[in-house]
Amino acid sequence: NAGVTQTPKFQVLKTGQSMTLQCAQDMNHEYMSWYRQDPGMGLRLIHYSVGAGITDQGEVPNGYNVSRSTTEDFPLRLLSAAPSQTSVYFCASSYLTGGANVLTFGAGSRLTVL
Amino acid sequence: RKEVEQDPGPFNVPEGATVAFNCTYSNSASQSFFWYRQDCRKEPKLLMSVYSSGNEDGRFTAQLNRASQYISLLIRDSKLSDSATYLCVVNNRDDKIIFGKGTRLHILP
Repeated sequence: NAGVTQTPKFQVLKTGQSMTLQCAQDMNHEYMSWYRQDPGMGLRLIHYSVGAGITDQGEVPNGYNVSRSTTEDFPLRLLSAAPSQTSVYFCASSYLTGGANVLTFGAGSRLTVL
Repeated sequence: RKEVEQDPGPFNVPEGATVAFNCTYSNSASQSFFWYRQDCRKEPKLLMSVYSSGNEDGRFTAQLNRASQYISLLIRDSKLSDSATYLCVVNNRDDKIIFGKGTRLHILP
């Protein structure tokens, strides 16, 4: 089982560039989400989706877009990268259980914005 | 009050010792509770769920106190490999998942 696959693992961008972080899961999970993790800040939810065609904002959505055209894929787009978006990004997925979701995380994508 | 709070540590504990840390949560209607473990520069992984009656998995014991709104994790006979950050996670009925910022644990040889 591949689980949750994120690409790329590492990326360096210049301010103003755009890019897409890819996330794919093969577990038929309804719920998918993107977090960023910064030192001292813990995991912060960027966007999430409870199924194909449905997305919603998390705690820190500004500067990011998502779409969910299939159950498997949940890409995160940075529209115009800023140094404040330098972070480690994690994609995670789970079944929807009405309050007992166990998340499976991807290995993370380290992004540096110069 | 933050939704989920943890002592950030670090807890520096000699190998073989017992260590415990707590996590408090603010929403009394929270549905389920978990401990995740995160190794340095790795993704978080589920360590164990926390059940109302308390539960044990080898050297690890998790407990839930709904009245005081906290969960705890106890590690007995600690190993060097237990060094990690332990994340407290609370799920609400609306599938909202809230992470604590984590407690860092260093097991000393």
